[in-house]
Amino acid sequence: QKEVEQDPGPLSVPEGAIVSLNCTYSNSAFQYFMWYRQYSRKGPELLMYTYSSGNKEDGRFTAQVDKSSKYISLFIRDSQPSDSATYLCAMSAIETSGSRLTFGEGTQLTVNP
Amino acid sequence: ETGVTQSPTHLIKTRGQQVTLRCSSQSGHNTVSWYQQALGQGPQFIFQYYREEENGRGNFPPRFSGLQFPNYSSELNVNALELDDSALYLCASSPGLTGELFFGEGSRLTVL
Repeated sequence: QKEVEQDPGPLSVPEGAIVSLNCTYSNSAFQYFMWYRQYSRKGPELLMYTYSSGNKEDGRFTAQVDKSSKYISLFIRDSQPSDSATYLCAMSAIETSGSRLTFGEGTQLTVNP
Repeated sequence: ETGVTQSPTHLIKTRGQQVTLRCSSQSGHNTVSWYQQALGQGPQFIFQYYREEENGRGNFPPRFSGLQFPNYSSELNVNALELDDSALYLCASSPGLTGELFFGEGSRLTVL
């Protein structure tokens, strides 16, 4: 069983839709949770970074962490064609080296004009 | 301020050969991590270097090795290449042992 599970999609939505992306995890030691966006043939770009449970909002993006359910989400409001990319969740445990991230396999998102 | 830069961007090797990939960390960052991303998969942690010392290693065999230099740039070396080593190799830097990683564009390795 993978430590981090993420639905690979693909997910296709019309422009302006609200997008919900999710990951589940099994390692209760994970404390830091991140979402990265990766365009085709590019490196991942950090979108959101949260510590422990709760919500964090940045513009059209909202990240939620529910440690009791071992479940994290990323919401994208008013989605744009430029949001079309692969979205990767990532997490790390407080006792490991901080930059040792465990990634999900990514969800491929297409926003249609 | 320049970001993380990697070279080469693309390369093709044959099975059994050796390869060296290079990474320049973002200015002010002293920690470099390397990840392997197979097609359609998320990145997998190879190892991390902090102040020129290896500081954590993922589930990769010893033929994957690395170095970090005094200017915090880094190299990833892979010996005895196998077909399954074909992947995008990502370098990431951070200002310390934190989770906020900044990735380069990657080096795409094809092993024939």
